[in-house]
Amino acid sequence: EADIYQTPRYLVIGTGKKITLECSQTMGHDKMYWYQQDPGMELHLIHYSYGVNSTEKGDLSSESTVSRIRTEHFPLTLESARPSHTSQYLCASMGRAKTGELFFGEGSRLTVL
Amino acid sequence: DQQVKQNSPSLSVQEGRISILNCDYTNSMFDYFLWYKKYPAEGPTFLISISSIKDKNEDGRFTVFLNKSAKHLSLHIVPSQPGDSAVYFCAASARYSGGGADGLTFGKGTHLIIQP
Repeated sequence: EADIYQTPRYLVIGTGKKITLECSQTMGHDKMYWYQQDPGMELHLIHYSYGVNSTEKGDLSSESTVSRIRTEHFPLTLESARPSHTSQYLCASMGRAKTGELFFGEGSRLTVL
Repeated sequence: DQQVKQNSPSLSVQEGRISILNCDYTNSMFDYFLWYKKYPAEGPTFLISISSIKDKNEDGRFTVFLNKSAKHLSLHIVPSQPGDSAVYFCAASARYSGGGADGLTFGKGTHLIIQP
């Protein structure tokens, strides 16, 4: 069973606030990912990391930033939240198996008023 | 341009019958395909996968079929159960072909509803 955790699960905040979505995994996986998903839409890759001090932007442009100071921790930050940032944010990690399977956290649903 | 397409936003199936979810892809570099299941307010969970060197993979009630020439795959669930009601995402990767970025490319999902 995958051990990847996201907090908060739900967050409602006002425009202009700074927020950080936390993601931690205890599997020792090097590769971690952030996806953004709106209802009825595909998951869009917004950030990924291949290991400590490695961060890359994904296919979908995002105003968020990420950091990877420790292997197990991959937080996502929005410096100034806007209503257009309202979405579900899904963190995932990838093991070393050849399957390329991603293990997902339960997601953080962000609502910006 | 969407590289993984699930053209049916929803599908309603009677309990006990077969559910067939379809997925098409356009990127010929994709060499591994996965299906994920997602309940509301939860993250996706891995269901079943298939490598491009195979045309069928079976795991209990779930079978995935791959038709490379048609760039099409399908997920069969037999028999369908109420707990199968969820959104199913098709995903693909170019893990070994070296094409495309790392991670998975997802379709928009199909909402499967199992009716009693």
